[in-house]
Order: sequence, then structure tokens, then C-alpha cells
Amino acid sequence: RKEVEQDPGPFNVPEGATVAFNCTYSNSASQSFFWYRQDCRKEPKLLMSVYSSGNEDGRFTAQLNRASQYISLLIRDSKLSDSATYLCVVNGQAGTALIFGKGTTLSVSS
Amino acid sequence: DARVTQTPRDKVTEMGQEVTMRCQPILGHNTVFWYRQTMMQGLELLAYFRNRAPLDDSGMPKDRFSAEMPDATLATLKIQPSEPRDSAVYFCASGATSASRNEQFFGPGTRLTVL
Repeated sequence: RKEVEQDPGPFNVPEGATVAFNCTYSNSASQSFFWYRQDCRKEPKLLMSVYSSGNEDGRFTAQLNRASQYISLLIRDSKLSDSATYLCVVNGQAGTALIFGKGTTLSVSS
Repeated sequence: DARVTQTPRDKVTEMGQEVTMRCQPILGHNTVFWYRQTMMQGLELLAYFRNRAPLDDSGMPKDRFSAEMPDATLATLKIQPSEPRDSAVYFCASGATSASRNEQFFGPGTRLTVL
């Protein structure tokens, strides 16, 4: 079983749509959880951390379910600029390596 | 605006040649990571350092890859001899163990093509 699994997509949605990505992780000892965004031929950049209580940043909402080892990202009112690959990431202790899923590709069209 | 820098941005070489990639982490960051990204495998850890000491290089083929941090402002990744299967994008990332969010900042990557 891969450490972090994501549906690769692609997800093709119109502008204004709501889209949700899911991710599962295998190591129950994982301590930190993130969503990174990667644009084509660019480096990954942190989109948001994921907290047990759930957190929201504008149009983006992240949820963590530790019991099910499941992480989600919800994007509301999709914009063309949201088109990218979204990477689910887990981590052990601070300062240790990140473990990446292979990413989910989102394409938002007008 | 502090950022991780990497050189070269692109490298095309022939099989058997030595390749050296360089990374300058963000000033003040004490952890440095080398990742490799391919279409098939995604992003994978090769090695990482904390306070310049190597902590984990289990992701690296030891016979041909080596990673070092000669000083706090420079990390290097060498491949000798290079092989076509090494073709990938190599990312360096840095972070601070003191940071509350444990965020890692990535450089722009070195796109390596081995012919």
C-alpha cells in the first residue's frame, strides 16, 4: 500500500464549480498534514496546512479524519487560476521529510 | 523575498558523465531536503540534512549519488556516472525545525536529461 494515495484525476470542471479531492495515508503515526499546489513545470508550494478541527482559507477548506486516515480539500467557486496539480502531503516530526501523494490534477475551464 | 535557489535550472548530459546540482537554502533554515520528481514515481525523498548533518539518505542509490553540505549556504547533489533513468526534476527544499508550521520551501528545481 502506498504511503499517501490520491485519485490522479484529471478533474475537469467549469468556472464556479465546487470540487473536492480526497487522500488517504497509511502511517497512523503521521503528525502533520498539508496540501501543496504545483503548477506545470514549477515547484510545489504550500497551499494550506490541515488541522484536526478542519480549517478554511477563503474558498479552500481542508479536513482531516485521523480515525479513517483521510484528508480532504474542498474548493468552492473554482477559478481558472485554480488549474494545477494538488499534492496531499504527510509528515512525521517537525524537520523530517515530507511524504507526497502523486497529486490530483484539476483543470478549470470557462 | 527569501527563496531557495538551485543551479543549473536545466541540464542535458550524456550517459556516464558527472552531474552536480547546487542548492542555496533560505538563510536561517536548518533543514535541507533533496527530492526527485518523475511522472511515474511522483516526488520522492533522496536525502536530507539537519544542521548540515546527513540524517537520511536511504532514498539515494549509494553507488552513484552523493549529497553534501559543505557549509550552511550550500547543498550539493552529485551523480557519477549518470544514467538515462536518472532523468527527472530534482528539487531542493529547506525548512526550519523551530517553525510552528513545519513548512518546507522548494527551489525551482533542476531538470536533468541524461541521453
